[in-house]
Amino acid sequence: DAKTTQPNSMESNEEEPVHLPCNHSTISGTDYIHWYRQLPSQGPEYVIHGLTSNVNNRMASLAIAEDRKSSTLILHRATLRDAAVYYCIQGGSQGNLIFGKGTKLSVKP
Amino acid sequence: NAGVTQTPKFRILKIGQSMTLQCTQDMNHNYMYWYRQDPGMGLKLIYYSVGAGITDKGEVPNGYNVSRSTTEDFPLRLELAAPSQTSVYFCASRPTWRNQPQHFGDGTRLSIL
Repeated sequence: DAKTTQPNSMESNEEEPVHLPCNHSTISGTDYIHWYRQLPSQGPEYVIHGLTSNVNNRMASLAIAEDRKSSTLILHRATLRDAAVYYCIQGGSQGNLIFGKGTKLSVKP
Repeated sequence: NAGVTQTPKFRILKIGQSMTLQCTQDMNHNYMYWYRQDPGMGLKLIYYSVGAGITDKGEVPNGYNVSRSTTEDFPLRLELAAPSQTSVYFCASRPTWRNQPQHFGDGTRLSIL
């Protein structure tokens, strides 16, 4: 079973920032937090991952709490193409990903 | 940029038939995975492989078989298809280093009637 907890759905307006929360209270010291997203009728797509400190890439930022029990994916300016299901994932023992139901993000024009 | 390629994209099977879902990657990744995704749910791991000749079961392996004779290919075999295997199947691969991102194919949508 998934080890993370996310809201089922969120809404955002286009060109506004989006903060997607995730709780992972059972995370161990060596588990990374991964974020993937899945657009309709496509396979999951890597977004970002991190261990302890905040991470940035061209797609998003990842803010990890100091106690590592939660994290937030930040999309700085949402576009209509960002509408997708976002999965927050604790890494599995063989590098496999244990998916929950994710957060369905809707973006309004 | 082929990445991970899955074939076929769609397939309808009759109960009891068998088929092989193909997956090939051109990134020289050692690790490969098969997941299934039921409607409205996250992905569940069926089988995985850490390199040619090595495979292991995931969370939901019953009714499936895999083989890994080359680094590039990781086919998934369904024997005696059942309605419960109606799902979308995704193949993924990643480099050896543990926390590298997985690359996913576009999926095979399989219906068993």
